[in-house]
Amino acid sequence: KQEVTQIPAALSVPEGENLVLNCSFTDSAIYNLQWFRQDPGKGLTSLLLIQSSQREQTSGRLNASLDKSSGRSTLYIAASQPGDSATYLCASRGATNKLIFGTGTLLAVQP
Amino acid sequence: KAGVTQTPRYLIKTRGQQVTLSCSPISGHRSVSWYQQTPGQGLQFLFEYFSETQRNKGNFPGRFSGRQFSNSRSEMNVSTLELGDSALYLCASLDSGTDTQYFGPGTRLTVL
Repeated sequence: KQEVTQIPAALSVPEGENLVLNCSFTDSAIYNLQWFRQDPGKGLTSLLLIQSSQREQTSGRLNASLDKSSGRSTLYIAASQPGDSATYLCASRGATNKLIFGTGTLLAVQP
Repeated sequence: KAGVTQTPRYLIKTRGQQVTLSCSPISGHRSVSWYQQTPGQGLQFLFEYFSETQRNKGNFPGRFSGRQFSNSRSEMNVSTLELGDSALYLCASLDSGTDTQYFGPGTRLTVL
């Protein structure tokens, strides 16, 4: 059974700090890995997608990396802001074509 | 382009009833997937439809079913509702060009 794990489960940082969220996956044959953010009671917003052939993707203050050999991905958030407070989810997509989600990291950025 | 839309946004049902949820994907997207999100189990895949055919199915009982219409709109149905079916149901459409899944705002189902 394919699994995705996210560490830490919760994180609280002061505004302006750089931070890293971790995601581990067991599917060694993933097609891609996608990072999402979810605000309370809302749907998911896609942040970044990394194809299996790529090492990293960047969008603004966000940078996601992928290491297939170790089964790990990281999401780096630079200069965090209170508006970044949300739950961050990673999801792997493999041969079954369905997204396998991690349990998420609840991020709180304190002003 | 308009995003993924889901209706209704909130539903309250009682045990034993059935419910139908609707999802309209982003224009041009032909794949629609459904997910269930609960505090205990997180996000779990229900099924995926592509060109009116179920292409993939998760590990849910047969009470959960779906379909897709020729305009790519999709519906999911849950029969004989149980308390444990209370959840946020999310639908996503796939941009096959970028492999990116785009999610709707979800339908919050409460079973009493």
